[in-house]
Amino acid sequence: DAGVIQSPRHEVTEMGQEVTLRCKPISGHNSLFWYRQTMMRGLELLIYFNNNVPIDDSGMPEDRFSAKMPNASFSTLKIQPSEPRDSAVYFCASSPSRTGGSYEQYFGPGTRLTVT
Amino acid sequence: GQSLEQPSEVTAVEGAIVQINCTYQTSGFYGLSWYQQHDGGAPTFLSYNALDGLEETGRFSSFLSRSDSYGYLLLQELQMKDSASYFCAGTGGGFKTIFGAGTRLFVKA
Repeated sequence: DAGVIQSPRHEVTEMGQEVTLRCKPISGHNSLFWYRQTMMRGLELLIYFNNNVPIDDSGMPEDRFSAKMPNASFSTLKIQPSEPRDSAVYFCASSPSRTGGSYEQYFGPGTRLTVT
Repeated sequence: GQSLEQPSEVTAVEGAIVQINCTYQTSGFYGLSWYQQHDGGAPTFLSYNALDGLEETGRFSSFLSRSDSYGYLLLQELQMKDSASYFCAGTGGGFKTIFGAGTRLFVKA
């Protein structure tokens, strides 16, 4: 298995531009998580999906952020318009999330976003 | 709400044993996980405790006490490559998982 795939790996954009981050979870996993990591705020859960349905988006910073999961093999995180404070590493993770299981999450390599 | 507390950094000597503690407050708590993250890398899963007690996986062990809302990660026979950040994470209702702020482990020769 290729693991969780994220693209792009690096993104540099100017303030005000739209940014779209992409994630392909591991086949068969039914939960998908989007995290943001910065030195100041650590690893923050932004939103997560179970069976393609958004369950909790309370971590999404503001309306500029949106996430979709149109099918079991693809998710996007969009920032529009982007701001310098959005600069961070964004991780996508997937999990089998079986009740009684280990809830182990498999992380993608991350997208390093820089907004100038 | 959910929150997890762990020390910001720990330093130990190669070959020694180190314990990283984690206290938590979570609603609908299922269990406690541990992840390792090297600089520039992604978090990788180490262990999971749903029940009280010790789980051993090679040089790493993890402990949970649900009554004390407390757990720890024990690393034995420390190696230089163990220098990394270690995160505890609590999973609760709806499979929601919240990570602690991470403990930076420095292993010295």
